[in-house]
Amino acid sequence: DQQVKQNSPSLSVQEGRISILNCDYTNSMFDYFLWYKKYPAEGPTFLISISSIKDKNEDGRFTVFLNKSAKHLSLHIVPSQPGDSAVYFCAASGAGNQFYFGTGTSLTVIP
Amino acid sequence: DTAVSQTPKYLVTQMGNDKSIKCEQNLGHDTMYWYKQDSKKFLKIMFSYNNKELIINETVPNRFSPKSPDKAHLNLHINSLELGDSAVYFCASRRTGTAFNYGYTFGSGTRLTVV
Repeated sequence: DQQVKQNSPSLSVQEGRISILNCDYTNSMFDYFLWYKKYPAEGPTFLISISSIKDKNEDGRFTVFLNKSAKHLSLHIVPSQPGDSAVYFCAASGAGNQFYFGTGTSLTVIP
Repeated sequence: DTAVSQTPKYLVTQMGNDKSIKCEQNLGHDTMYWYKQDSKKFLKIMFSYNNKELIINETVPNRFSPKSPDKAHLNLHINSLELGDSAVYFCASRRTGTAFNYGYTFGSGTRLTVV
């Protein structure tokens, strides 16, 4: 059973606009969430994280929002740039320190 | 049914020992990977196999040896374990021949602690 889901396999956005990538999870015991970014032929790189005691974490153009009641998190990229084109994975972990990954969303930022 | 399963989930062992981590996927994917998560949470690719053939072999010590008996399994054997090998190791799989991100599925990780 997929405990972390990214239901949109792909997303296209115009340069300068906002990109919103969504992630849903099923396990209410998850308390730490991460976003990874992956370019082709490279391993995923850590982008931003959020713990369950917060509902928002911001780092430059990247903001992650956490809605615990809905078991939903989202990554906002503003403004989107062509270099942001990549695959984005969300991941979640709980007390057992096991990580559960979504299957990824491919973002294309159109110049 | 777990799509990508790794065993064991936790592994504590002494320096100098030899250990193996197993990975199995039941998704019918043809490509499997091993990643190592470092202290900065960067997921570094170690190996990739496509249909039992090694296609990516990044710069890792030759103490690490992957083995793929069939395309549903990719095991990682580590000889002469060192303290620096302590990390979380992730197995992943995907189906090739489509968009590069299609069907990426990760295992939940194996936390290796070398003491």
